[in-house]
Amino acid sequence: QQKVQQSPESLIVPEGAMTSLNCTFSDSASQYFAWYRQHSGKAPKALMSIFSNGEKEEGRFTIHLNKASLHFSLHIRDSQPSDSALYLCAVRDMGYKLTFGTGTSLLVDP
Amino acid sequence: NSKVIQTPRYLVKGQGQKAKMRCIPEKGHPVVFWYQQNKNNEFKFLINFQNQEVLQQIDMTEKRFSAECPSNSPCSLEIQSSEAGDSALYLCASSPGGAETLYFGSGTRLTVL
Repeated sequence: QQKVQQSPESLIVPEGAMTSLNCTFSDSASQYFAWYRQHSGKAPKALMSIFSNGEKEEGRFTIHLNKASLHFSLHIRDSQPSDSALYLCAVRDMGYKLTFGTGTSLLVDP
Repeated sequence: NSKVIQTPRYLVKGQGQKAKMRCIPEKGHPVVFWYQQNKNNEFKFLINFQNQEVLQQIDMTEKRFSAECPSNSPCSLEIQSSEAGDSALYLCASSPGGAETLYFGSGTRLTVL
């Protein structure tokens, strides 16, 4: 059964800093890797996703995947107070089910 | 704002009572998921549908959980006999296909007293 773990559990960074979030997964056959963000009391919302090894950048956000290491990460450049939220990584293996990590709670201190 | 509509927003039940929540997926999205998010932010996959057919589901303990997605009606998740451990945020999500991107509703927060 797929196991998805995130680190750190929580993080406080100053406004303008680079934030790095990590996610490890257990199933090497996993096919799809994504990050979701959930503001307090709100619905989780997809941020970005990647299918193959490498990097993908969208605005201030970069996702990096290393399948051999069973690891992917999210980097947020120039972190803003509005980025404060729960960040969830998600992995899809065979089938449609997404398995989520338990999240990293990010606080960007203005 | 989310286009996946979940009702009710809050649900309070006593132990042993039935709890039912509904979800209207985003228009044109044939795939629907239910997840349970507990107070530790752990997401537990419950079930998913494509149109009206179940794709995958957990071994719903003691068969207390049931779900359906009838055509032309909201999807629903029902707990036959609520237990304190069922207290959680129940999230419905829909997808245009597969599980590439899930679009979540705001959830139904169930409290079992």
